[in-house]
Amino acid sequence: DAGVIQSPRHEVTEMGQEVTLRCKPISGHDYLFWYRQTMMRGLELLIYFNNNVPIDDSGMPEDRFSAKMPNASFSTLKIQPSEPRDSAVYFCASSLSGGVTTYEQYFGPGTRLTVT
Amino acid sequence: DAKTTQPTSMDCAEGRAANLPCNHSTISGNEYVYWYRQIHSQGPQYIIHGLKNNETNEMASLIITEDRKSSTLILPHATLRDTAVYYCIVRVAGGATNKLIFGTGTLLAVQP
Repeated sequence: DAGVIQSPRHEVTEMGQEVTLRCKPISGHDYLFWYRQTMMRGLELLIYFNNNVPIDDSGMPEDRFSAKMPNASFSTLKIQPSEPRDSAVYFCASSLSGGVTTYEQYFGPGTRLTVT
Repeated sequence: DAKTTQPTSMDCAEGRAANLPCNHSTISGNEYVYWYRQIHSQGPQYIIHGLKNNETNEMASLIITEDRKSSTLILPHATLRDTAVYYCIVRVAGGATNKLIFGTGTLLAVQP
């Protein structure tokens, strides 16, 4: 299994531009998570999906952020317009729910976003 | 979810056991203890989890006190590659939510 795949690995963009981050979860996993990590705020959960449906988006910082999961094998996180304070590493993770005990989350390598 | 308290940083000599403590004094009866680690420039990696019994896998051992108010992650023979931030997370397994709330963790530095 290739694990969780994220693209691009690095993104540099100018303030005001639209940024789209992509994630392919592990096949068969029914949960998908988007996290953001900065030095100041640590690792924050932005949104997560179950069976392609957004369950909790309370961590999405503002309306400039949106996430979609059109099918079980693909998700996007979009920032429009981007701002310098959005600079961070964005991680995608997936997991498989399993009754009483929820299985662990598997994280992708992350996308390092720099907004100038 | 219950909150956890971990030391900010720890050192360990290579080849020795690394014992990472975590306090979770407000843990509820149906909450599990999870440990993840994050090696520099990588995504977090699951290590182990447990409810009340001690657990062991190929990576580590988890010792949970009888009152469940604290736990210790043990890396039996630490290597330089174990240098990472280790996160202790307490949460309900299954149910309506599948969220992990990461704190600040413990930076373990394995010294040669």
